[in-house]
Amino acid sequence: NAGVTQTPKFQVLKTGQSMTLQCAQDMNHNSMYWYRQDPGMGLRLIYYSASEGTTDKGEVPNGYNVSRLNKREFSLRLESAAPSQTSVYFCASSEGGLAGGGQVAKNIQYFGAGTRLSVL
Amino acid sequence: QKEVEQNSGPLSVPEGAIASLNCTYSDRGSQSFFWYRQYSGKSPELIMFIYSNGDKEDGRFTAQLNKASQYVSLLIRDSQPSDSATYLCAPRGPAGKSTFGDGTTLTVKP
Repeated sequence: NAGVTQTPKFQVLKTGQSMTLQCAQDMNHNSMYWYRQDPGMGLRLIYYSASEGTTDKGEVPNGYNVSRLNKREFSLRLESAAPSQTSVYFCASSEGGLAGGGQVAKNIQYFGAGTRLSVL
Repeated sequence: QKEVEQNSGPLSVPEGAIASLNCTYSDRGSQSFFWYRQYSGKSPELIMFIYSNGDKEDGRFTAQLNKASQYVSLLIRDSQPSDSATYLCAPRGPAGKSTFGDGTTLTVKP
């Protein structure tokens, strides 16, 4: 059981180049998320997908696009990379569903190992 | 005001002591609260969640929630060097998203 798999693990881009970060989960989860984490800071939500076929903007969506390809896969695309997008990117998934009471465990997020991206 | 505020670190405690990590949140609609631990260079992993006011204990960890004060804390008893990590507080709002705090870095000194 691999959990959440992200590729690539490391990437160096030049300003203006484009690339797609891939994420796949094998836990049959409904919800998937993309975060970025800058040094000494917490996770900031870029985009999320509450269920297959839906995507919504998070806190910092500018400069990014996403695709929920199917229930397993959620990709993040940088169309024209900028140095400000140098960061560690984490994909996460959760079962999703009701938020309260005994259903809270469905909201636990499971994270991939991360992609370390440098834009020069 | 940030949506999630955690006590500024780094926090350093001696081995065997109690480490206290605090978090306040601004969204009164938040219904459940998660604490994640992140070792340096690694991805976050869940250690506790709580959704009812009061205390929830799991081994050496105790989460405390006070919705009226919009405050959630994590106590680590008998701290061990292996507890040295960054701890992230993540309230989950009614829309289904979690907002993460910047984290508190804990160092447990042998």
